[in-house]
Amino acid sequence: NAGVMQNPRHLVRRRGQEARLRCSPMKGHSHVYWYRQLPEEGLKFMVYLQKENIIDESGMPKERFSAEFPKEGPSILRIQQVVRGDSAAYFCASSPLWDPNNEQFFGPGTRLTVL
Amino acid sequence: AQKVTQAQTEISVVEKEDVTLDCVYETRDTTYYLFWYKQPPSGELVFLIRRNSFDEQNEISGRYSWNFQKSTSSFNFTITASQVVDSAVYFCALTRMAGNMLTFGGGTRLMVKP
Repeated sequence: NAGVMQNPRHLVRRRGQEARLRCSPMKGHSHVYWYRQLPEEGLKFMVYLQKENIIDESGMPKERFSAEFPKEGPSILRIQQVVRGDSAAYFCASSPLWDPNNEQFFGPGTRLTVL
Repeated sequence: AQKVTQAQTEISVVEKEDVTLDCVYETRDTTYYLFWYKQPPSGELVFLIRRNSFDEQNEISGRYSWNFQKSTSSFNFTITASQVVDSAVYFCALTRMAGNMLTFGGGTRLMVKP
C-alpha cells in the first residue's frame, strides 16, 4: 500500500516562473491538505481539499497560489510568478475521513528553491 | 484561534541522557487532538502519537513517553536513554473537531551526541 506521494521531490525555479507541485494521496483517501515549511520554521497549514472541492483555504496567500484536487489525478499546488520568499518545503498529507481523529499521513515533501 | 508553543528551539544532550521536550497549546475548543511528529534530517515527517482531549492518561512506547496535562495545557514528550538516531526536529501539533488542519509548534531541534 503506497504512501502519500509527492513529486517532484526537489524543484528549482527562477523568479517569475511557475511551480507545480503534485500530491497523490494514499489509496482510499479523499482528503488532502497542503502545508508549507519555511526554513527553520514549523509547518503552516495552507489549504484543505476534497475531490473537486476546496474546503478551507484560509492559509493560502491571496495572490499567486492556487490548489486543486480533480476527480481524477493528483492534487496540484500551483505557484505563479515565484519569488525568493516562496522557497520552502511543501508537504502534502491525506486522510480517509473528515473526522480529525484520523491521522494525517504525510508525503515526503517537495523542496522548492527559487533562484 | 489555536496556538502551539514549543519554547525550546534547540536541545543538545549526550547519548543515554533522558530529555523532555515541552509543548504548550492554546485552544477554545473542548474537544481537540494533540500530536507529536518527528522530522529526521532526511526531511520526512514521522507520526509518533495522537492523543484526544478526553484521554489524559500518560502513554509509554518503548523509550518514548508522553505526559498530557489539561490543567496546564501541556503535552510533553520524554525520550529515555536517548540515542544518536533520536537526533531530529520534533513537532507538537493540535487539531480541532471542525476542520482537520493541524496547527504546528515551531519545533524543537534535538541533537544527541555520542
